[in-house]
Amino acid sequence: DARVTQTPRHKVTEMGQEVTMRCQPILGHNTVFWYRQTMMQGLELLAYFRNRAPLDDSGMPKDRFSAEMPDATLATLKIQPSEPRDSAVYFCASGLSSGRVPGQGTITPTSYEQYFGPGTRLTVT
Amino acid sequence: GQNIDQPTEMTATEGAIVQINCTYQTSGFNGLFWYQQHAGEAPTFLSYNVLDGLEEKGRFSSFLSRSKGYSYLLLKELQMKDSASYLCAVRDSGSWGKLQFGAGTQVVVTP
Repeated sequence: DARVTQTPRHKVTEMGQEVTMRCQPILGHNTVFWYRQTMMQGLELLAYFRNRAPLDDSGMPKDRFSAEMPDATLATLKIQPSEPRDSAVYFCASGLSSGRVPGQGTITPTSYEQYFGPGTRLTVT
Repeated sequence: GQNIDQPTEMTATEGAIVQINCTYQTSGFNGLFWYQQHAGEAPTFLSYNVLDGLEEKGRFSSFLSRSKGYSYLLLKELQMKDSASYLCAVRDSGSWGKLQFGAGTQVVVTP
């Protein structure tokens, strides 16, 4: 049963500390998304990657947030320094988008749903 | 950008039918998704519409009218486990999969 995994599931940290969240997308998926969910703002897209290349990170505060995909099986989201307003649930999601995927040829999925990981609940005090 | 509107909350009794409406205004459109999210859990995919019309999947159906910028999710034979938030999401033009989510509709199913 393929699924997206995220670590840690919960993180409590003090203001000013660095936080790193990790995501393992479903094997074979070529797009990875980072979302943040709060009661006030709902589900917001922070950044996303296609074939490991960053496509859009306009939703992310650039001064403190950074997102990377060091390889096809790992995506990271880092906050440095963290602030109380960063407290939220951070979801990673993966999916397939059409196009050419290195090592897999041309892909045309029949649908484009995103599969969400269980989330990292971050509390910054 | 996208502007997506859906009601905040709806209440219905077990066994009934509920229809959740979603209206959107977009600069580009390439599909509309519905996701279900139980409290404390991740969103899970329910349905996808890219052409006008009705898509049926068991007790859940989703409808799309692109000319009206309108979709609805129909939940039939409601069960207690259907109590959850239902998120409408619109995909930008192109096939890169970027979604913008509405705020979600909290459905409360009562006995």
